[in-house]
Amino acid sequence: EAGVVQSPRYKIIEKKQPVAFWCNPISGHNTLYWYRQNLGQGPELLIRYENEEAVDDSQLPKDRFSAERLKGVDSTLKIQPAELGDSAVYLCASSLGLGGPGLETQYFGPGTRLLVL
Amino acid sequence: GESVGLHLPTLSVQEGDNSIINCAYSNSASDYFIWYKQESGKGPQFIIDIRSNMDKRQGQRVTVLLNKTVKHLSLQIAATQPGDSAVYFCAEKWGSGYSTLTFGKGTMLLVSP
Repeated sequence: EAGVVQSPRYKIIEKKQPVAFWCNPISGHNTLYWYRQNLGQGPELLIRYENEEAVDDSQLPKDRFSAERLKGVDSTLKIQPAELGDSAVYLCASSLGLGGPGLETQYFGPGTRLLVL
Repeated sequence: GESVGLHLPTLSVQEGDNSIINCAYSNSASDYFIWYKQESGKGPQFIIDIRSNMDKRQGQRVTVLLNKTVKHLSLQIAATQPGDSAVYFCAEKWGSGYSTLTFGKGTMLLVSP
């Protein structure tokens, strides 16, 4: 079974440019998460989707970040315009859903490493 | 031994030794805990989880211990192998329904052959 797929794996852009990341979750997983991971730190949640609905976007900097999951499967995360402080690894994760052991286990993709110059 | 590195606490062990990685969690209301392993250039990989109604859970070569009194979680790895070298994160979750998984800062495990 394929895991969570993310692209691109690496991205280098100049500040003020836009950038987009794509995620394909594990087949059948209703819940999708976007995290940001700074060097030496644990992942921090940006947004969580239940199917098409963004149910927790409280940590998403909405002035420059946006996300969508139009058909409840793939998702994109966009930054426009990017700032130097946005350099980080952006991780996508998915889980079956809620409601008990095993259903909530999050499986992570390899991440997109963003460098803003 | 255990030391504080530039970014992460680091635990260095010899191959074949048992490793113990510790984690202090923040919220006494947390009811679900997970250990993840993250190798360089990869996303976190699920290792083992435990609910707050348990104090011990065993997997293959790994054991998680939960001490709710002092809000402490540990991951024990038996017969540590070079392939176990990675950063290990504990994560906690509280509340039912839509609730957030909060990750700790991580510990780097270095296994020497």
